[in-house]
Amino acid sequence: GAVVSQHPSRVICKSGTSVKIECRSLDFQATTMFWYRQFPKQSLMLMATSNEGSKATYEQGVEKDKFLINHASLTLSTLTVTSAHPEDSSFYICSTDRGNTGELFFGEGSRLTVL
Amino acid sequence: KQEVTQIPAALSVPEGENLVLNCSFTDSAIYNLQWFRQDPGKGLTSLLLIQSSQREQTSGRLNASLDKSSGRSTLYIAASQPGDSATYLCAVIQGGSEKLVFGKGTKLTVNP
Repeated sequence: GAVVSQHPSRVICKSGTSVKIECRSLDFQATTMFWYRQFPKQSLMLMATSNEGSKATYEQGVEKDKFLINHASLTLSTLTVTSAHPEDSSFYICSTDRGNTGELFFGEGSRLTVL
Repeated sequence: KQEVTQIPAALSVPEGENLVLNCSFTDSAIYNLQWFRQDPGKGLTSLLLIQSSQREQTSGRLNASLDKSSGRSTLYIAASQPGDSATYLCAVIQGGSEKLVFGKGTKLTVNP
């Protein structure tokens, strides 16, 4: 069964609005959550790493004020795309690991379309 | 800086054929290597995880090998089926890091 649940799977919004994407770990605690973005025909790119109870670490070139990450509990991390613009349209995926193997499990992804 | 390359970018084969997908990485100091499958518009599904101390892993019709010294991994798919059609991504975790570095993937099409 699914290890990580991501919601919503698809969202369409108007330019200038904010969109929140949730990522939940099922039946285990996720201390660390990774957020990726994937543009068409491109590889996944890490946007930020969120750690429960502390500020997220953003990759170079990712605006922290635009992509707000909250990891308030051990089972939930959220990514909020603030004041979204068409260029933010992308596929956003969260992931986390379980145990000490380093194996990562991914959410089903969220397709964001900004009109 | 770690770079992961996957060849070929796309592959089309008839059903039943055995095939090999290739992955290479520039820095051999990896913690592990993982193969994923991605269906269009979907998240990633983990297929096989190879720790840096291992040389191969098998799951059903899939076999992944790792040659850390040469910076290479292969994913072997036996008796391919149309349901295997997807994009296959290879990714490594650098030693001392939690971050995955992905290749761009190989888009596989298995024709009935």
